[in-house]
Parts: sequence; C-alpha cells; structure tokens
Amino acid sequence: DAKTTQPNSMESNEEEPVHLPCNHSTISGTDYIHWYRQLPSQGPEYVIHGLTSNVNNRMASLAIAEDRKSSTLILHRATLRDAAVYYCILRDSNDMRFGAGTRLTVKP
Amino acid sequence: NAGVTQTPKFQVLKTGQSMTLQCAQDMNHEYMSWYRQDPGMGLRLIHYSVGAGITDQGEVPNGYNVSRSTTEDFPLRLLSAAPSQTSVYFCASSYSSAGLAGYYEQYFGPGTRLTVT
Repeated sequence: DAKTTQPNSMESNEEEPVHLPCNHSTISGTDYIHWYRQLPSQGPEYVIHGLTSNVNNRMASLAIAEDRKSSTLILHRATLRDAAVYYCILRDSNDMRFGAGTRLTVKP
Repeated sequence: NAGVTQTPKFQVLKTGQSMTLQCAQDMNHEYMSWYRQDPGMGLRLIHYSVGAGITDQGEVPNGYNVSRSTTEDFPLRLLSAAPSQTSVYFCASSYSSAGLAGYYEQYFGPGTRLTVT
C-alpha cells in the first residue's frame, strides 16, 4: 500500500485559514486521496476526497499537486470545532489504512 | 437513516471471556470493516468484508473472528479476551465497486470502548 507522510501537529488561530499538508510520493494512478478527521472521543468523519483535480465541498478544499505526489487540505476559516486529528489516506482498494495523522489545535 | 450503529458503547470483560461487538448499517453498503484504536494511536484494520459471505483479514486479525451473513450486519467476535485487546473499536461501511473502491467515502460508527481486566 502506498503510504502518506503528515506533520504530527499543527496550530492555527480561530477564523484563519489552515493548510494541512500530506506527502504521498509513491502514489499509484488508481489511488484516490481521502481526508478524514477525528474529533475527541468520536469516530472518524469523512472530510473530502479526490483523484487528480482540486475539489471543494462545504467542509473544506483539497488541492492536489500536478504530479499527485502531495496534497493539501484547506480549511478556509478554522473554528474551535475543527480541532481534531486529520488523516490523509490513499485508497484504491476496499481496505483503508490509517496513519498517525496531524493533530490540529485551534487557538481562540 | 441511522447510518452505522454499534453496540454496546462500553464493555468491561475479564480475561478469557468471550463477547460479540455488534455493527449494523442501513445504507445498503457492500463494504464493512472493523478497526481498533489504542490510546494515542491511529486506527488499525482488523477484518473487512466486501459483501455477504465474504470476509478477509486486515492488519491485526489475531484474536478476532468475523462473519457476514447479511448486508446490514457485521459482528466482531472476541473468542478469549486478553488485556492487549483493551481498545476502542470502530465499525465502518461504504459502497464498493470492483476497480472503483477508492471513489467512495467510508462512514464510521461511534465506537465501542472495551476494557479487558
């Protein structure tokens, strides 16, 4: 399985944009890039996913590098509720493997 | 639409006891899976299923059994609980299509917190 690399932790100020990076240099052509987040004491929650083009939804934007070896999850205005662990995962088959993720702290 | 439900929410077992963690989904998803999450760690895949009657092992299958007799249910059995199985267990489901599995997002249940003493 292709692996991803994320920073262990990041901090942001409330109401500012947050850019969460993910490196996946061994990505294959059929791997979709998925992002999930896990709020304290909850199950993971789907955020966004894409294959080649940038994607936007009501929660976030996903910017995918042209060579697909990296991607960035963008939260446009961080709120305190966005404090969570964010996981970047490559998925081309049914099973989905999680790494350690990035712990995002949002300061008021 | 309840999504993915798990029961119980909390469970305490003694070493050697057996139990079944229940997972159900009402979204007609073909794919279901079980993960465990130890304190401060990411999720690790235990077992998964791509449809009724079909199961396969994930990263950490030892000590756990699964079966899939219906599309809706995917129970996880601990045959002889050990303290090393103390963890939070999450069930997940998604649509599945040959060659297009990555296209679909997974939905997770709220988790079962299991303590083995």
